[in-house]
Amino acid sequence: QQPVQSPQAVILREGEDAVINCSSSKALYSVHWYRQKHGEAPVFLMILLKGGEQKGHEKISASFNEKKQQSSLYLTASQLSYSGTYFCGTEYDNQGGKLIFGQGTELSVKP
Amino acid sequence: EAQVTQNPRYLITVTGKKLTVTCSQNMNHEYMSWYRQDPGLGLRQIYYSMNVEVTDKGDVPEGYKVSRKEKRNFPLILESPSPNQTSLYFCASSPYFGWWETQYFGPGTRLLVL
Repeated sequence: QQPVQSPQAVILREGEDAVINCSSSKALYSVHWYRQKHGEAPVFLMILLKGGEQKGHEKISASFNEKKQQSSLYLTASQLSYSGTYFCGTEYDNQGGKLIFGQGTELSVKP
Repeated sequence: EAQVTQNPRYLITVTGKKLTVTCSQNMNHEYMSWYRQDPGLGLRQIYYSMNVEVTDKGDVPEGYKVSRKEKRNFPLILESPSPNQTSLYFCASSPYFGWWETQYFGPGTRLLVL
């Protein structure tokens, strides 16, 4: 089952914050986050493992809520370079190698 | 330069004509995977390989074959392509599949099946 991402699209002004959610109906083992700019290949952002801590860098971080089977990606003080489509990839019950991606969230940051 | 390469980058073919899309990585990675990307559907995994001679089905394997005879190469074979296989294809690799490692994507192959 494909995880569900929300929102499907979001438009921000520079400096605003955004949250992208990735929800699963099945128990998650890990969640992978990627960003893809138009015409380019996806680029890895981070992986979160069940039971692990919130991860991230200065302005992009993510959390994993085991009870809700949901991961959230937080983008704070957004920059123009954050524009792109964000995908979550989910691994179920340590299936080791099999990744199922959400449909993507299109993020657009305007000046 | 560490990279994942795919060939060809663009391909137009006709229904039923067998084709192979090559994927090669120079990073000595154990794990390799193929995805297709279609508008509104995101990335869907076709096949993956945890190591040489070990391959397994992803979410949408029908109509595709793969092989992993050497660590660096992971070709995708369409024995009898059909129009519904028109898509953007990505190959990816990582040192190991695991929570602490990244996955590097190739530049993509855009396939049109007429």
